[in-house]
Amino acid sequence: NAGVMQNPRHLVRRRGQEARLRCSPMKGHSHVYWYRQLPEEGLKFMVYLQKENIIDESGMPKERFSAEFPKEGPSILRIQQVVRGDSAAYFCASAKTGSTDTQYFGPGTRLTVL
Amino acid sequence: RKEVEQDPGPFNVPEGATVAFNCTYSNSASQSFFWYRQDCRKEPKLLMSVYSSGNEDGRFTAQLNRASQYISLLIRDSKLSDSATYLCVSNDYKLSFGAGTTVTVRA
Repeated sequence: NAGVMQNPRHLVRRRGQEARLRCSPMKGHSHVYWYRQLPEEGLKFMVYLQKENIIDESGMPKERFSAEFPKEGPSILRIQQVVRGDSAAYFCASAKTGSTDTQYFGPGTRLTVL
Repeated sequence: RKEVEQDPGPFNVPEGATVAFNCTYSNSASQSFFWYRQDCRKEPKLLMSVYSSGNEDGRFTAQLNRASQYISLLIRDSKLSDSATYLCVSNDYKLSFGAGTTVTVRA
């Protein structure tokens, strides 16, 4: 019973490039959440998605960031024209239902922007 | 004001000691709370849920005080493997994390 899967685990990009982070939720989970942990800081909520729907993107930066969770395939967090300040660990979590159901985290993608 | 605030520590305790720490939350409407642990900035792992009646899981005891809006975690008979950062979390479908309390258990 695989847990939440994220890839790549490590991603290096130069300033101005695009970063694509993928998350496959646990089997049977249809709710996906993305969180970001900047160096020396706590985790911060970014976006909450269900299949084909963005439920809450209040934590997403206004520009350059987007997320999707298509009918088929993993959820994607996309960062366009990356800057050094985007360097962080990006964690995906999934839950069986929304509301206050327990969220289980993937191993994260560590993005480094040179 | 941050939604969840924690004493960052660090708490440096010998094996076998008891260590306890709290966090406070600002949203009185928050429905559920958890303690997660995070090792070396890897993914957070659920430690336990927190209920008003208090709950115990082995050496760990969690308590929620809604009137004062604080949550506590107590670790008894601490082990070296308990060394980690403990994250206090409120769950309003999106999780709000405290910055974490660092615990180091020494031999």
